[in-house]
Amino acid sequence: AQKITQTQPGMFVQEKEAVTLDCTYDTSDQSYGLFWYKQPSSGEMIFLIYQGSYDEQNATEGRYSLNFQKARKSANLVISASQLGDSAMYFCAIRRGGYSTLTFGKGTMLLVSP
Amino acid sequence: GAVVSQHPSRVICKSGTSVKIECRSLDFQATTMFWYRQFPKQSLMLMATSNEGSKATYEQGVEKDKFLINHASLTLSTLTVTSAHPEDSSFYICSAMGQGASDTQYFGPGTRLTVL
Repeated sequence: AQKITQTQPGMFVQEKEAVTLDCTYDTSDQSYGLFWYKQPSSGEMIFLIYQGSYDEQNATEGRYSLNFQKARKSANLVISASQLGDSAMYFCAIRRGGYSTLTFGKGTMLLVSP
Repeated sequence: GAVVSQHPSRVICKSGTSVKIECRSLDFQATTMFWYRQFPKQSLMLMATSNEGSKATYEQGVEKDKFLINHASLTLSTLTVTSAHPEDSSFYICSAMGQGASDTQYFGPGTRLTVL
């Protein structure tokens, strides 16, 4: 079974600062994918970034980067230069290789202050 | 990017009635669609997975006769909540996945269902 643990229920950051949202996972599979989604108060789930278990480089997408430490089974999301619009719920998710379903963590609420 | 729409965004209905929610992939063909339910301040709970042209696969504990899923085409899946009751009130969100390197699930904006 797959499991995602997000230990930070809430995080606060000031505008323009960087913030790291923690995600650890548990899987016995060799092939898997890790995802981060953002859910603003409107409810829509917005895909942010993907990391494959065999990817040697950490994934980056604009201001988002994924700090992938395979041996530690962690996939932390780093948001650089936070903006007020980054205030939202952030979910980490894992997908087994060859399967389509995602297992989500409980999420971390990020609040960005001016 | 991939766009998924969901309709309606909000629905209020009386207890005992049925409600249909549509999920459409607008700019890609969705080989697989997913339906989730989310309670306030909680994570997403997968209800079922559907592949175009075949029966949906329901997660344990989800009543397939109550939550009818149809995936008739590569761009449309529907979820029908039959004989809705107040405990069915929730946020329902769909996602769609096409074929690609990362096979990313793209989500719709969700539907807020309130059963009176």
